[in-house]
Amino acid sequence: GEDVEQSLFLSVREGDSSVINCTYTDSSSTYLYWYKQEPGAGLQLLTYIFSNMDMKQDQRLTVLLNKKDKHLSLRIADTQTGDSAIYFCAEGDYTGRRALTFGSGTRLQVQP
Amino acid sequence: GAVVSQHPSWVICKSGTSVKIECRSLDFQATTMFWYRQFPKQSLMLMATSNEGSKATYEQGVEKDKFLINHASLTLSTLTVTSAHPEDSSFYICSASPPGQGSQPQHFGDGTRLSIL
Repeated sequence: GEDVEQSLFLSVREGDSSVINCTYTDSSSTYLYWYKQEPGAGLQLLTYIFSNMDMKQDQRLTVLLNKKDKHLSLRIADTQTGDSAIYFCAEGDYTGRRALTFGSGTRLQVQP
Repeated sequence: GAVVSQHPSWVICKSGTSVKIECRSLDFQATTMFWYRQFPKQSLMLMATSNEGSKATYEQGVEKDKFLINHASLTLSTLTVTSAHPEDSSFYICSASPPGQGSQPQHFGDGTRLSIL
């Protein structure tokens, strides 16, 4: 079955860039997502990328996709304390009728 | 944009109570909705796929008689936790995808935190 893996923890200083990495196994993955979850809250969709793209930038967020290696990364520029949260990588197919497969989540800690 | 609403956001009840959680797609019709469960400090695990007008598809290890899913309309799916016990305490989240292939990502409700005493 599908598998998505992430590192569990990342600590950065405020103002630095954060890079959260994710690998996946399903070749049929079409959408690759990044969600943010703050303590006690639901999931916030940050950004997503189609599998035929290499990069997507949205303000402070940059997503890089290496389809050959099935590697996805999320870069947060100028990381702020408000960025402290758990970040989930997820993959899905083209139809939207298959549930997403989530990684274990990466806890980002931003130190002032 | 597409919005999925979940209600209630927080439930605290006694052991043995049945609890119903609603998931609504507010501005689109969803023939398929998904129910996930998240335990503390863990990722989301798919419980079941809710199909409008037909039976839900449950993941392995999820008791269909305990977690009743009803998807009676194109905008509403409900999850009922029957005779809930403390081990059912968790964060339950639903998601849905607007119709049309490849057009929009899945959208998630804000989740329901269920605490069974």
